[in-house]
Amino acid sequence: NAGVTQTPKFQVLKTGQSMTLQCAQDMNHEYMSWYRQDPGMGLRLIHYSVGAGITDQGEVPNGYNVSRSTTEDFPLRLLSAAPSQTSVYFCASSYFRTDTEAFFGQGTRLTVV
Amino acid sequence: KNQVEQSPQSLIILEGKNCTLQCNYTVSPFSNLRWYKQDTGRGPVSLTIMTFSENTKSNGRYTATLDADTKQSSLHITASQLSDSASYICVVTSQAGTALIFGKGTTLSVSS
Repeated sequence: NAGVTQTPKFQVLKTGQSMTLQCAQDMNHEYMSWYRQDPGMGLRLIHYSVGAGITDQGEVPNGYNVSRSTTEDFPLRLLSAAPSQTSVYFCASSYFRTDTEAFFGQGTRLTVV
Repeated sequence: KNQVEQSPQSLIILEGKNCTLQCNYTVSPFSNLRWYKQDTGRGPVSLTIMTFSENTKSNGRYTATLDADTKQSSLHITASQLSDSASYICVVTSQAGTALIFGKGTTLSVSS
């Protein structure tokens, strides 16, 4: 059972470039979310999805897009990378939105230069 | 505003010693509270969940307490080990079903 799988683990982008962070889960969870973690800031919600075809914005959505075409996959797209998006990104999934037992991926460390 | 505050921000202890981490929250109405452990370079992993009616719950050397009246929780680690070195994050959910509310975490370093 792989759980939540994120790729890539590390990425360096130039300002203005775009890329997609991949996230897949094999637990048949309806709720998936993306967070960014910055030093001294804790985890902040970027976007979330309560099921296939349904997405919504979190606390810090600007500069990011998401889609949910299947239950398993929830990719995060950076439209035009900026140095302020340098961070560690975590994908998480859980059975319900209010169930705090979120299962996290191992993270993607993104550096924008 | 729903908030979760953790203290201390960081802590250094000797192997074998005990320690207690604190979490104060202002989330209302309260649903449950979880403690997560995050090893360096890894995603957070759930240690324990506390609901409104629970006061104490143990998971091996980890014991979590909850005082719903004062809106405080603690995580006590007994006989610390080097592998306990990590960040410990308190996460609270409201009954309104809004997004999880994360504390900033306590970084624990256990030295030999």
